[in-house]
Amino acid sequence: ETGVTQTPRHLVMGMTNKKSLKCEQHLGHNAMYWYKQSAKKPLELMFVYSLEERVENNSVPSRFSPECPNSSHLFLHLHTLQPEDSALYLCASSQDLGGATYEQYFGPGTRLTVT
Amino acid sequence: RKEVEQDPGPFNVPEGATVAFNCTYSNSASQSFFWYRQDCRKEPKLLMSVYSSGNEDGRFTAQLNRASQYISLLIRDSKLSDSATYLCVVNGDGNNRLAFGKGNQVVVIP
Repeated sequence: ETGVTQTPRHLVMGMTNKKSLKCEQHLGHNAMYWYKQSAKKPLELMFVYSLEERVENNSVPSRFSPECPNSSHLFLHLHTLQPEDSALYLCASSQDLGGATYEQYFGPGTRLTVT
Repeated sequence: RKEVEQDPGPFNVPEGATVAFNCTYSNSASQSFFWYRQDCRKEPKLLMSVYSSGNEDGRFTAQLNRASQYISLLIRDSKLSDSATYLCVVNGDGNNRLAFGKGNQVVVIP
């Protein structure tokens, strides 16, 4: 595997379900990110991790819970979501944070539908 | 005012023609500027960074105007494969965050 991978690619879940999104980067990067991309809206940053430590939580509701067990893996745990949470969730990584000067490499995303 | 503003288009461009678009940003302290490309139902990928002096990569030219707080992208001799959404990206408030525009959708027509 190369680059940034995400699983699952598609997910349909009910509002009472609990599920997790997984991201893995094979680039040796130190920073990882979760983004949300909704139709007709710009990418919204959700969380930033640097060396497994969360450095930014961009006012994300608590029904989204990130986890970074090591510098290669990032999870997004989901519970009691709302239909408006349906979106494409993108994971990205970069060499370091560096004032956001480093190129970010994106995974293919998980397309989430909340019913 | 939004952090990064782009006219979503679409920009319908005849094959072989030149197309240009701008994006404006609100944070005068921003230091890093990028254009990313996103194909339909795919992830964004870096197209080019934008430097103060302007830079060119093949048919693509990017310019930065700090005084007016905008960056531009020009595509010459458009190819069908250039059809995509071009995202303007600027480092936002604080040091660790990129702010994305909605993107300029380009459709190259045969």
